[in-house]
Formats: sequence, C-alpha cells, structure tokens
Amino acid sequence: NAGVTQTPKFRILKIGQSMTLQCTQDMNHNYMYWYRQDPGMGLKLIYYSVGAGITDKGEVPNGYNVSRSTTEDFPLRLELAAPSQTSVYFCASSYSVSGSGNTIYFGEGSWLTVV
Amino acid sequence: AQKITQTQPGMFVQEKEAVTLDCTYDTSDQSYGLFWYKQPSSGEMIFLIYQGSYDEQNATEGRYSLNFQKARKSANLVISASQLGDSAMYFCAMREIYGGSQGNLIFGKGTKLSVKP
Repeated sequence: NAGVTQTPKFRILKIGQSMTLQCTQDMNHNYMYWYRQDPGMGLKLIYYSVGAGITDKGEVPNGYNVSRSTTEDFPLRLELAAPSQTSVYFCASSYSVSGSGNTIYFGEGSWLTVV
Repeated sequence: AQKITQTQPGMFVQEKEAVTLDCTYDTSDQSYGLFWYKQPSSGEMIFLIYQGSYDEQNATEGRYSLNFQKARKSANLVISASQLGDSAMYFCAMREIYGGSQGNLIFGKGTKLSVKP
C-alpha cells in the first residue's frame, strides 16, 4: 500500500545549501508532479513529468531541478537554498490525464525550512 | 487561462448537518476534470471526489457529492451529515485534459471547514 512516498518528511537547511527531495511511486504512473504549498495557500506546480526521460517546468520552477530516469522516481533538487523556498513540498502522480486512471495521488508532504 | 475560485475562506457547520463548499472555475477547454481534496491539520492531501466535464450525473462518494453546474462553471462540494473529523481545509482543483499543461492540477486557495459539536 505504498502509493507515493516522499522523503525526508522534515528538513532544515541553511541558506546556500543544496538538497534533494526524493519521490517514488509504485503504481506504474506515467505522470508525476512536484508542488509547493505556502502557508494559507493552494498548491503551485514546480515541475512535472509525463514519463521517464521527459520533464518540464511548471508555474514556479526557479531554484529547482528535476530528473526522471525511471518511471518510479522523480527527485526534486534544490540548489542554493533561499528563505523563499521555505514551504511544504508535495509529490504527486497519476496514470493518465483522462478516464478512470486520472486521479492524482499525493505523497504525505515534505516540510522544508531554510534559515 | 484556467482558474479556480473558492470564495469562502472559512466555514462553520454544526455536527450532523450538511454543508456546501463553493467552487467556480474558468477554462476554455471542453474536456476537463474537477477534483476536491481534503487537507487535515496533519497536512496530507486526501482525494475525495472527481467529476468529468462530460459526466451527466453528479458524482457521489459516500457522504460527499459534487453539485456540477456546467453552464455556471461551478462544482460545489456537498458534505452530508458532518462529522468532527471533517474539520479540515478543502481544495477544489481542475485538470484540463488536452491543455498545454499536461494534465496539471490547478488549485483554488481552499476553504477551512470547522465542524462544531
């Protein structure tokens, strides 16, 4: 019953440090997404992928990078962390964009604080 | 441009009563999906219900139903017989099927529901 798994759940970074948020799904989903959620707000898309080897920018990509070398994994890299990147990060996935497989499932979230 | 509007920042409901959370959307696509997610204080995003733009019947999932009015571009969530555990943030979201965003979900700002005993 793993679904979408994100690690770490909590992390404190110093300004200028780098880190990778890991995301893996075991549902053979083609579509994967990274969102961030700032306090009191909805979610905003950082990057997305429609399959292994294919990634593209979302609404707020600056300061982040992604890769998708396998169907299962979609890590998010933060380079040179800034206080503005303090947020909750969600990884999500779905099998398709239409039909019965289009529900997007979310990981439990990763709380990141940059100080 | 696609947009989701939730006009109720906060709502109160008495336990065991029904409550409607409002959601309006804007899209130029004919094919899209509408979703509601629940986010309790623990932070996870829980999928509640889905309505496709071509679905003629309103979606229902247990105590949740979606009041879909396509001409008005509204997709209100109705929760019947509210329970204390329903206290949470609720997000309406839309996904264009053939738009350039590759099926990205666009979220509203959410409604915080508080259920009173």
